[in-house]
Amino acid sequence: KQEVTQIPAALSVPEGENLVLNCSFTDSAIYNLQWFRQDPGKGLTSLLLIQSSQREQTSGRLNASLDKSSGRSTLYIAASQPGDSATYLCAVPGLFYNTDKLIFGTGTRLQVFP
Amino acid sequence: ETGVTQTPRHLVMGMTNKKSLKCEQHLGHNAMYWYKQSAKKPLELMFVYNFKEQTENNSVPSRFSPECPNSSHLFLHLHTLQPEDSALYLCASSQDRTEANYGYTFGSGTRLTVV
Repeated sequence: KQEVTQIPAALSVPEGENLVLNCSFTDSAIYNLQWFRQDPGKGLTSLLLIQSSQREQTSGRLNASLDKSSGRSTLYIAASQPGDSATYLCAVPGLFYNTDKLIFGTGTRLQVFP
Repeated sequence: ETGVTQTPRHLVMGMTNKKSLKCEQHLGHNAMYWYKQSAKKPLELMFVYNFKEQTENNSVPSRFSPECPNSSHLFLHLHTLQPEDSALYLCASSQDRTEANYGYTFGSGTRLTVV
């Protein structure tokens, strides 16, 4: 059974810092890994999708890496801003015939203060 | 907007009421999903529809009844809910349930409160 863990659970940093959010999964046989952002009480916004054959994806100040063999992904946020404050979720599709089941971590709640 | 639209954004209903949540996407996706997000819990998959056919019911109580009239619309009919059903209900879509490589697009959710 695939399990996804995210650390830290919460993070509070001053503006301008470079951040690393961690995501771990127990079974490396994944098709892809997706990072989402969720603002309080709102839906999910997709940030980056990394295919199993890729090592990293970049979008603006965000960079996500994937190491399947070790079951890890990191989301790197450069020069953090107060507008980056949100909960960040990673998710992987389920295994075998359950690929339509997206399995989420519990998220990292990020607060960036001015 | 992400391309997946959910209405209403907020809903307060009594335990004896009947209401429906609506989800609409015009991304050309063929698979649609309902997820439930309760406080301090990971998102839970409820239902999966692929080409209008229900392919997954993740042991959801019968007081939740999904409907998918076409690939662009998905409903969640609610009746005789319990206070513990209060949560954020999220709709998502993807190209195809077997094409996990394309990722998922989520709506903004409906915040449901059962009183």
